[in-house]
Amino acid sequence: SQQGEEDPQALSIQEGENATMNCSYKTSINNLQWYRQNSGRGLVHLILIRSNEREKHSGRLRVTLDTSKKSSSLLITASRAADTASYFCATDAWNQGGKLIFGQGTELSVKP
Amino acid sequence: SAVISQKPSRDICQRGTSLTIQCQVDSQVTMMFWYRQQPGQSLTLIATANQGSEATYESGFVIDKFPISRPNLTFSTLTVSNMSPEDSSIYLCSVYKNTGELFFGEGSRLTVL
Repeated sequence: SQQGEEDPQALSIQEGENATMNCSYKTSINNLQWYRQNSGRGLVHLILIRSNEREKHSGRLRVTLDTSKKSSSLLITASRAADTASYFCATDAWNQGGKLIFGQGTELSVKP
Repeated sequence: SAVISQKPSRDICQRGTSLTIQCQVDSQVTMMFWYRQQPGQSLTLIATANQGSEATYESGFVIDKFPISRPNLTFSTLTVSNMSPEDSSIYLCSVYKNTGELFFGEGSRLTVL
């Protein structure tokens, strides 16, 4: 089945720096969603980008989508220690009946 | 957004026993899903909980091991049956809103000894 692959698996940066995470997928999608998970807790929905969109912003978050390359990126600008978490992409494909398939995630550590 | 409450938030269980996890949503939703997240791993879809009919299970998951109920449009339960240490995971309930976004509960962290 389709699965997003994310890189890097782990990322460590200093506070104030930007963090970029990438996600690749295999088949055509309706949309792609990004989530954050703080250690041991539920997932927080960050942003949804539809297949006909190329870029979307939400606060310090910027998401891009390149359907020709089947890839997406999540940029967090001016990172904070509170951004430390795991970040997952998830794809909703045309033939999946609304089910999301999750990538393996990127573990982000922001050092104060 | 959607407010999704899961109970229990965590539990420690003995091998061979069963545990039922409840998921309550603050509004009626059509699609409700159960995911599993094993330690250090990503999320894997267990099944789609269908209101008024049997759940639709993903490959590798069966009804005898993970029976699911969905009596109405705001509530579902997932039972983890005859547990073994390999079932130690976070189990997450999720729902779609009409915006296309999938929202999650806080999860139920299960440890099987």
